[in-house]
Amino acid sequence: GNSVTQMEGPVTLSEEAFLTINCTYTATGYPSLFWYVQYPGEGLQLLLKATKADDKGSNKGFEATYRKETTSFHLEKGSVQVSDSAVYFCALGGSTLGRLYFGRGTQLTVWP
Amino acid sequence: DAGITQSPRHKVTETGTPVTLRCHQTENHRYMYWYRQDPGHGLRLIHYSYGVKDTDKGEVSDGYSVSRSKTEDFLLTLESATSSQTSVYFCATTGGGGTEAFFGQGTRLTVV
Repeated sequence: GNSVTQMEGPVTLSEEAFLTINCTYTATGYPSLFWYVQYPGEGLQLLLKATKADDKGSNKGFEATYRKETTSFHLEKGSVQVSDSAVYFCALGGSTLGRLYFGRGTQLTVWP
Repeated sequence: DAGITQSPRHKVTETGTPVTLRCHQTENHRYMYWYRQDPGHGLRLIHYSYGVKDTDKGEVSDGYSVSRSKTEDFLLTLESATSSQTSVYFCATTGGGGTEAFFGQGTRLTVV
């Protein structure tokens, strides 16, 4: 079946530090992969996505590459800011009946 | 922004009472989902719909029912609310085919 395993948090970094949040998946077929971000008191919003192997999604300085050989979609940012503090969710989509599969989320806190 | 509206945004109710949460979309998306979000558990799927009058259970469906009589509305009902159903509930929609999901702002439900 389909599933997503995401690095447990919380993650605490200083401003300008490098960020990696690991995400691996199990899937049948050819899923799309997503990273969502949730700011306090809000719903989830799409951060970036990739629809096929070797695609790189990017947005707001964040990047993730769809690696079929390692079934991974790790989120990276070279220099985090305080405003990046949020919860990040890795997700898998494109399955039968449109079901989405989410990781448990990783809380990121960035200190000035 | 995608038009996903949840109502109410906040509700306090007593144990044993019925509660209905509403999700309304203006995107004409085929797929709609109800999740609950609790600390330490991430997002958990309650029920989802893959078309009008077509619904299926998610991983935490006990105590919940859903209805979808038209494309734009997806209702979540707690037949007899319990304190364990105190949570933040999110509605989401997708057009399917591996496209991104859009989320509502959430409903904070407290059962006392």
